[in-house]
Amino acid sequence: DIQMTQSPSTLSASVGDRVTITCRASQGISIWLAWYQQKPGKAPNLLISKASTLESGVPSRFSGSGSGTEFTLTISSLQPDDFATYYCQQYNTFPATFGQGTKVEIK
Amino acid sequence: QVQLVQSEPEVKKPGSSVKVSCTTSGGTFSNYGISWVRQAPGQGLEWMGGIIPIFGTSTYAQKFQGRLLITADESTGTAYMELSSLRSEDTAVYYCARDRTPATVNWFDPWGQGTLVTVSS
Repeated sequence: DIQMTQSPSTLSASVGDRVTITCRASQGISIWLAWYQQKPGKAPNLLISKASTLESGVPSRFSGSGSGTEFTLTISSLQPDDFATYYCQQYNTFPATFGQGTKVEIK
Repeated sequence: QVQLVQSEPEVKKPGSSVKVSCTTSGGTFSNYGISWVRQAPGQGLEWMGGIIPIFGTSTYAQKFQGRLLITADESTGTAYMELSSLRSEDTAVYYCARDRTPATVNWFDPWGQGTLVTVSS
C-alpha cells in the first residue's frame, strides 16, 4: 500500500496566519490527491481533489499544489472556522490511503 | 443534493458481527460507488472497502478480506457494511461515503454522519 505521511502532526497558529501542511507519498501518485477537513465529532469534508482543484463552496483561502510525491495544502489567512484536523488521501493506487492527519490548533 | 444517512450506534460482544446501513437520498444511487471508511478513537482514517451498485461489485482492503461484506439494495438506495469476528480493536466510527467516480480507487464526497461501533465484553 502507498504510505502517506503528513507534516507537521500538530500546528499551532493564530487567526490571520498563513498555514502550510505537507503530504508526502511513498511512491509517485501523479496528481491524484485529495484534502479533507474534519472537525471534532463530524465526518470529513472534501476540500480539494486532483491536488489543486477546489471543491464548490470551499473558501478561496484554501489552495493545494504538488504532484508526484510531494503535496501542500495552504490556508492563506487562517480563520476561526479553520481550526480542525486535515487529512490528505491518495487515489492513484488501490487501496486508497490517508495521511495520519494534521491538527491545526489555536496558538 | 446527495445525503447519506447511517444507522444508529451499536454495542457488540467480541466475536460477534455488526451490520451498518447507509441510505442515500437526493441522487442516483446506482451510478456511484459507496465506500466505507473507519476511524478508531483519536486515530486517522482507514479505507475498508466499497461497492459499485451498478456493477454489483465489491472491493476490500486486504486487511479486512474474509470478515468484511459490503452489499447494496438498489431498490431502497441503501448500502450495508457487515464486519464479523469483532474484536476490541474494531471499536471505531464507521463512515460511508460516496465515490466521486465509478472507478475502483476514488476520493469521497459526501460522507454519512458516522456510526459508532463499540466492541466490549
